[in-house]
Amino acid sequence: DTGVSQDPRHKITKRGQNVTFRCDPISEHNRLYWYRQTLGQGPEFLTYFQNEAQLEKSRLLSDRFSAERPKGSFSTLEIQRTEQGDSAMYLCASRTPRGLRGNEQFFGPGTRLTVL
Amino acid sequence: DAKTTQPNSMESNEEEPVHLPCNHSTISGTDYIHWYRQLPSQGPEYVIHGLTSNVNNRMASLAIAEDRKSSTLILHRATLRDAAVYYCILTSGTYKYIFGTGTRLKVLA
Repeated sequence: DTGVSQDPRHKITKRGQNVTFRCDPISEHNRLYWYRQTLGQGPEFLTYFQNEAQLEKSRLLSDRFSAERPKGSFSTLEIQRTEQGDSAMYLCASRTPRGLRGNEQFFGPGTRLTVL
Repeated sequence: DAKTTQPNSMESNEEEPVHLPCNHSTISGTDYIHWYRQLPSQGPEYVIHGLTSNVNNRMASLAIAEDRKSSTLILHRATLRDAAVYYCILTSGTYKYIFGTGTRLKVLA
């Protein structure tokens, strides 16, 4: 257990529905990342927050995706009008500005999304 | 973004050493080399990292080439619990990770 939690762990939804995932980082970590991982591939970067500011977004993050981090604590990732191609593991990670182990990111267990 | 190249898969016998290679010919001077591993249905977990010098910790050793264009993760005695996908990642800037497909390590009993 890295101290990063994600909820839910699994989500099954029908195509066209909206879904929202939550990530709770380690409390003193001001930087938070979202990644997406499809079967057999490495995780792909989606977006990055420093405190409450969203500083970088990948081209993978289409208009149907939105991420927030109110008050710089927990973060949510919402997918609107889900498509079957959105089926993946969604991973959250957090880190401090100057970690003890280089640029180490601490990953949560992920939320596995299945779109039927 | 700097990229890494790793073999898709490797096998090792239990209790034997394993050397997992990684090529990163476009590495810049400020890039750290991080290694993570991912067990099935879990998020990636930190293994080791380095900048220029070889590094040792309780999990593994990291050998970095003098020109820093390649590195090798060394598991001194592989166990069945070490079966995982191992990722070599270069980090700098905003420190977002660019993962490749990693090396799937199979440990044979």
